[in-house]
Amino acid sequence: SQKIEQNSEALNIQEGKTATLTCNYTNYSPAYLQWYRQDPGRGPVFLLLIRENEKEKRKERLKVTFDTTLKQSLFHITASQPADSATYLCAPPVYGQNFVFGPGTRLSVLP
Amino acid sequence: GAVVSQHPSRVICKSGTSVKIECRSLDFQATTMFWYRQFPKQSLMLMATSNEGSKATYEQGVEKDKFLINHASLTLSTLTVTSAHPEDSSFYICSARDFRSRLNEQFFGPGTRLTVL
Repeated sequence: SQKIEQNSEALNIQEGKTATLTCNYTNYSPAYLQWYRQDPGRGPVFLLLIRENEKEKRKERLKVTFDTTLKQSLFHITASQPADSATYLCAPPVYGQNFVFGPGTRLSVLP
Repeated sequence: GAVVSQHPSRVICKSGTSVKIECRSLDFQATTMFWYRQFPKQSLMLMATSNEGSKATYEQGVEKDKFLINHASLTLSTLTVTSAHPEDSSFYICSARDFRSRLNEQFFGPGTRLTVL
């Protein structure tokens, strides 16, 4: 069955550094993958979508890569700020257009 | 744009009662809406997909008679938790897809915290 893993449950980094989050998927090949941010007690917010034919996508301080050979997507936040602290979820589509969300990585940016 | 609202944001009820949660797309039409459940420190689990005017499609392990979904219009879907029990206590989140969007992203509501005593 399809499986989605994110590198760690929690990640602590110092303000100003680059945070790198990993999403690995197995047993299928999604045509695209989305990343969401979720704050405690709130619904997820869409951040970026990257398609299988795109190696990299950027939006302000965010960068996403998609390696279909490794079956992996990397999510980077450069010049991280305490306000970036949240849980980040990767979500590739499965069986059509529904999504399965990864377990999420809880990022804490320390001042 | 692309705002999704949920009502209520928080509900506490007694065991055995039924609770209705509304999900509305405020500024777009959503042919498809999704209902998720999230337990503490866990990711979102898709419960069901509802398409306007047709029956919802439930994920494996989700009881359709317990979680009634109605998607009567392009801007409103409701989830009714029937005969709620303490184990149904969770954070319920809906999302909606704008059928005009090429990106296929889902827009999420703020969630409803259900506590069953």
